[in-house]
Amino acid sequence: QKEVEQDPGPLSVPEGAIVSLNCTYSNSAFQYFMWYRQYSRKGPELLMYTYSSGNKEDGRFTAQVDKSSKYISLFIRDSQPSDSATYLCAMSVIQGGSEKLVFGKGTKLTVNP
Amino acid sequence: GAGVSQSPSNKVTEKGKDVELRCDPISGHTALYWYRQSLGQGLEFLIYFQGNSAPDKSGLPSDRFSAERTGGSVSTLTIQRTQQEDSAVYLCASSTRTSGRRAGELFFGEGSRLTVL
Repeated sequence: QKEVEQDPGPLSVPEGAIVSLNCTYSNSAFQYFMWYRQYSRKGPELLMYTYSSGNKEDGRFTAQVDKSSKYISLFIRDSQPSDSATYLCAMSVIQGGSEKLVFGKGTKLTVNP
Repeated sequence: GAGVSQSPSNKVTEKGKDVELRCDPISGHTALYWYRQSLGQGLEFLIYFQGNSAPDKSGLPSDRFSAERTGGSVSTLTIQRTQQEDSAVYLCASSTRTSGRRAGELFFGEGSRLTVL
């Protein structure tokens, strides 16, 4: 079992839809949870970062972490064509003074106008 | 520049040739990372630098891969005797991370797309 599992999609939705992107993980030691967005032929950029279980909201984006279920989600409200990108979850843990950072494979999202 | 700069942006080479990929991180960022991204495979960690030393090189897939960083700034990833399976996008990232603390935000370059014929 991979440490981080993410459905690669692709996911296609109409403009204005609510999008739900998810990752599961197996390592209960993960402490930090991130979502990166990657546009085509660009490098990933940090979108959301959370530490604890619960929700974190930033504009149209909400990141949710459920440590008991080892499950994280990213919700996009009122999705726009400009949200079309690949979304990668990432999670990390500090162990012995060094950090282990693991990325999911990414979910490709297309928002159709 | 303001961001992470990588060169070349595209490289086509023949099997068996050596290639060098360059990364110029954001000024002042002490941590530098190399990742490989293949179609459908996500981001594969290769190596992490803190300053000029590499405390974690566990992701380098074989001894054909090596990397160095000089002056706490520019890094070069070298792939010797390239194979077709080396074809991928090689991404470099930098951060303000100091040793023993979490990475914080990684700032990625646009990548070097390597094609081995």
